Amino acid sequence: NAGVTQTPKFRVLKTGQSMTLLCAQDMNHEYMYWYRQDPGMGLRLIHYSVGEGTTAKGEVPDGYNVSRLKKQNFLLGLESAAPSQTSVYFCASSRDGISTDTQYFGPGTRLTVL
Amino acid sequence: AQSVTQLDSHVSVSEGTPVLLRCNYSSSYSPSLFWYVQHPNKGLQLLLKYTSAATLVKGINGFEAEFKKSETSFHLTKPSAHMSDAAEYFCVVRSNSGGSNYKLTFGKGTLLTVNP
Repeated sequence: NAGVTQTPKFRVLKTGQSMTLLCAQDMNHEYMYWYRQDPGMGLRLIHYSVGEGTTAKGEVPDGYNVSRLKKQNFLLGLESAAPSQTSVYFCASSRDGISTDTQYFGPGTRLTVL
Repeated sequence: AQSVTQLDSHVSVSEGTPVLLRCNYSSSYSPSLFWYVQHPNKGLQLLLKYTSAATLVKGINGFEAEFKKSETSFHLTKPSAHMSDAAEYFCVVRSNSGGSNYKLTFGKGTLLTVNP
């Protein structure tokens, strides 16, 4: 059982380039999330999805777009990368949105924007 | 509104001695509380969670945490540290409100160092 997987693991971009991060989960979870982790900041929610075909903004959505065309996949896009987007990105999924539900995290993608 | 404060950014212990990682929270509604662990260059793994059942919660690898409503605290403890416990630990709160109860709020993390 793979759980939550992320592709790629590492990426280096130049300012202005675009890229897409892929998250996949095999647990049939309805909810999926994208977070970024910066030193001393904990994790902050970028966007989330409550089901196939839905997306919504989190607390730091600017500069990112997302899509959830299939239930098992959640894509995070950067249209024009900026150095401020250098971070570690984590995807997570959960069965539903109730408060007691556990979010399961992927291994992360380390992105550097030069 | 909800927030989490991890009172120590770095804790250093000797192997075999007790571990205490402190967490205070605030929440407008009765919260669910979680502790996650992150080993170097790895994703986050759930250690334990409090969901309004027993106030003393036991997790994996010998960790436990006690929910104290009067003190708004959810401190993580372990009787005897092991070298493999060296990692970063995150306290997380989630409100049991009707609207946005999916939303996790993370503390800034506590780095645990275990000395031989």
